[in-house]
Amino acid sequence: AQSVTQLGSHVSVSEGALVLLRCNYSSSVPPYLFWYVQYPNQGLQLLLKYTSAATLVKGINGFEAEFKKSETSFHLTKPSAHMSDAAEYFCAGRTNDYKLSFGAGTTVTVRA
Amino acid sequence: DTAVSQTPKYLVTQMGNDKSIKCEQNLGHDTMYWYKQDSKKFLKIMFSYNNKELIINETVPNRFSPKSPDKAHLNLHINSLELGDSAVYFCASSQDVRQETQYFGPGTRLLVL
Repeated sequence: AQSVTQLGSHVSVSEGALVLLRCNYSSSVPPYLFWYVQYPNQGLQLLLKYTSAATLVKGINGFEAEFKKSETSFHLTKPSAHMSDAAEYFCAGRTNDYKLSFGAGTTVTVRA
Repeated sequence: DTAVSQTPKYLVTQMGNDKSIKCEQNLGHDTMYWYKQDSKKFLKIMFSYNNKELIINETVPNRFSPKSPDKAHLNLHINSLELGDSAVYFCASSQDVRQETQYFGPGTRLLVL
């Protein structure tokens, strides 16, 4: 069974609008959660990570994510989308056996 | 200075051939990984090495054989290539097995005809 689940395989937003990408984790995943971004034809780049230090995590490019234990969620947000945010976004969790388990990914398109 | 590099970037080959993909990291990390990303962009770990020792070996056909000559390099050799092997293969590295952060290479796009 997957350790993280991304809700919504595709999100389309207007430029300047809020970006919200949803990720839920299973209780088997220790509190190490990550968001990665993959731009077209490139490798994955770390956006941010949660390692239990603070529930609100700020990342690069204006993204942030909030860890909510009560909801087993780690949703990613950005207040104002930019055209350059168009990419594939992956939520991942580190399992007990030190493997990184990825969600299925969410494709973000930004409309002008 | 590329942190994690892979060669080749693209690989087109015929079924039945044997091919290798090379990976190098200059971050001084102890742990390296190979992932496969299928056509639906799903990422799955294949192997992991820590200080040249195999520590993760997922359910991968034995046609796939990783080799780590030193902790900065992790190569992937694939024998008797099949159509289903077509995918993007990513190498990654992390400081150690606790892998709080993994750094990914640019990927090798393999197409088997």
